[in-house]
Amino acid sequence: ETGVTQTPRHLVMGMTNKKSLKCEQHLGHNAMYWYKQSAKKPLELMFVYNFKEQTENNSVPSRFSPECPNSSHLFLHLHTLQPEDSALYLCASSQGDRDPLDGYTFGSGTRLTVV
Amino acid sequence: TQLLEQSPQFLSIQEGENLTVYCNSSSVFSSLQWYRQEPGEGPVLLVTVVTGGEVKKLKRLTFQFGDARKDSSLHITAAQPGDTGLYLCAGLYSSASKIIFGSGTRLSIRP
Repeated sequence: ETGVTQTPRHLVMGMTNKKSLKCEQHLGHNAMYWYKQSAKKPLELMFVYNFKEQTENNSVPSRFSPECPNSSHLFLHLHTLQPEDSALYLCASSQGDRDPLDGYTFGSGTRLTVV
Repeated sequence: TQLLEQSPQFLSIQEGENLTVYCNSSSVFSSLQWYRQEPGEGPVLLVTVVTGGEVKKLKRLTFQFGDARKDSSLHITAAQPGDTGLYLCAGLYSSASKIIFGSGTRLSIRP
């Protein structure tokens, strides 16, 4: 596989559930990102990892917990979410986390619905 | 608050027509990118513009970066149904890893 792969594509979870989103990139990039995309709002940066180290946490509630075991894999662990957390969660990667002129490569996203 | 405003929010036109969408900010960017996002997919990079006043062409798409590097436009000539999607601009700051996205222009081309 090439590019950025996200699983699952769709997820419905209750507010008391625990679930995880997975992202894998096959591009040899060093930086990985989690973004939240809600209707009628700009893409919101959640977390940035560079060489497996978290370099940015954009004031994300603790019910979202990222994990980056290596430069190719990124997880987002979810627990006790709220209905307003329903959104499209996008993973992206880039060569580095500084001035990515080559742009970000995004996955297809996980459509999350919290009931 | 740093904002990138895109206009219009929605645009529906007939196949074959021309259109322009805009991306504006009060901030100066080191570079600016345009992405297109199709339903059920993530955004895909179309172009990066770096120099003030720069114009780049990608087939029927023409991208321009403002002289002051605060704004950009995307012009599509003879729009086709395959141009349908959400067009996002993203401004990059050289001083940090920060990139901000606009809320997008949702474009629909009617056959």
